[in-house]
Amino acid sequence: QSALTQPASVSGSPGQSITISCTGTSIDVGGYNYVSWYQQYPGKAPKLVIYDVSNRPSGVSNRFSGSKSGNTASLTISGLQAEDEADYYCCSYTGSRYVFGTGTKVTVL
Amino acid sequence: EVQLLDSGGGLVQPGGSLRLSCAASGFTFSSYAMNWVRQAPGKGLEWVSAIRNSGGSTYYADSVKGRFTISRDNSKNTLYLQMNSLRAEDTALYYCAKVVRGGPSLDIWGQGTMVTVSS
Repeated sequence: QSALTQPASVSGSPGQSITISCTGTSIDVGGYNYVSWYQQYPGKAPKLVIYDVSNRPSGVSNRFSGSKSGNTASLTISGLQAEDEADYYCCSYTGSRYVFGTGTKVTVL
Repeated sequence: EVQLLDSGGGLVQPGGSLRLSCAASGFTFSSYAMNWVRQAPGKGLEWVSAIRNSGGSTYYADSVKGRFTISRDNSKNTLYLQMNSLRAEDTALYYCAKVVRGGPSLDIWGQGTMVTVSS
């Protein structure tokens, strides 16, 4: 199964909002409401920031929000902060396996 | 504190074997499905394998099917990944990860253990 497609990089200035897209197919993103998003700093393990398309785990800033339309999911970071500079990966669960996105490097200008 | 501690990585020759372990603490290990996810140097995340909480069902990525075996010992709160017939392309940092309650997302991750396949 092919990786989900994400933009390689997204950038924004502090305080701005950015959106990262995650495009799959009807057998992964479009077929299940099990899209999750992970934030990863260099040399660190990934951290869950959004699960089941739009839910935030306890302790995750409400500046992070998720949505989905058809075969494309999106992660929006509002009020961008320097600490948001990291790699972000989407992931879709397909009933018996997972497929991750290609990853997006977020740069805060 | 909920914690996962990965271990067992190292340098192995092509065709060799290695067993990874993931020690869980701070939660009821036997209640949760568990996964292995890997990340090759400088690359993205790749799902490797999953196992149901009872250990009765296992799932594998096509890239490792037939070579890797996931298992768990709920009495020892430990997850395993037996890796056989290792290839250079299996070189990666391997993470174990726990699923959230009631869903498939991965909410707790180990620190990772590095596997290098090289002659």
